[in-house]
Amino acid sequence: EAGVVQSPRYKIIEKKQPVAFWCNPISGHNTLYWYLQNLGQGPELLIRYENEEAVDDSQLPKDRFSAERLKGVDSTLKIQPAELGDSAVYLCASSLRTGEVYEQYFGPGTRLTVT
Amino acid sequence: GEDVEQSLFLSVREGDSSVINCTYTDSSSTYLYWYKQEPGAGLQLLTYIFSNMDMKQDQRLTVLLNKKDKHLSLRIADTQTGDSAIYFCAERSGFNKFYFGSGTKLNVKP
Repeated sequence: EAGVVQSPRYKIIEKKQPVAFWCNPISGHNTLYWYLQNLGQGPELLIRYENEEAVDDSQLPKDRFSAERLKGVDSTLKIQPAELGDSAVYLCASSLRTGEVYEQYFGPGTRLTVT
Repeated sequence: GEDVEQSLFLSVREGDSSVINCTYTDSSSTYLYWYKQEPGAGLQLLTYIFSNMDMKQDQRLTVLLNKKDKHLSLRIADTQTGDSAIYFCAERSGFNKFYFGSGTKLNVKP
């Protein structure tokens, strides 16, 4: 079974430029998460989707970040315009509910460097 | 958000046991998780424990939960150099919302 796929793996852009990240979750996983991971820190949730509905976007900086999950499968996270402080790893994860357990599976992440 | 705390570093010798500790704040957490992250990779789910359990064993991994003290630990028996990584604990609060600690970097010396 294929895992969570993310692309690109690395991205270097200049500040004020736009950037987009793509995620393909594990087949059949209804829940999709985008996390931000700063160096030396754990992941912090940006947005969570249940199917195509964004059910928790309280931590998403909506002035510059946007996300979509069309048809409840793939998802795209966009930043426009990027700032120096956005340099981080952006992780996508998906989960399937088995009873009361949600097992999250993470992709390898996209490392963003803003110069 | 919820507060999940971990010590930053742990160094052990190959063959010894490693114990990684974690404290959390949300008493309503239903499940607590341990993840492993190797350089350049995403997080890999290792194991989880339901909040009404106090111990779970899975091969070389033993999870202990003290719900009264909100303390979680991960013991790795017979630690190998391949176990060197960053280990994150996470709590799931409310409906499917996860809070992660800052990670403990485990260094295994040969």
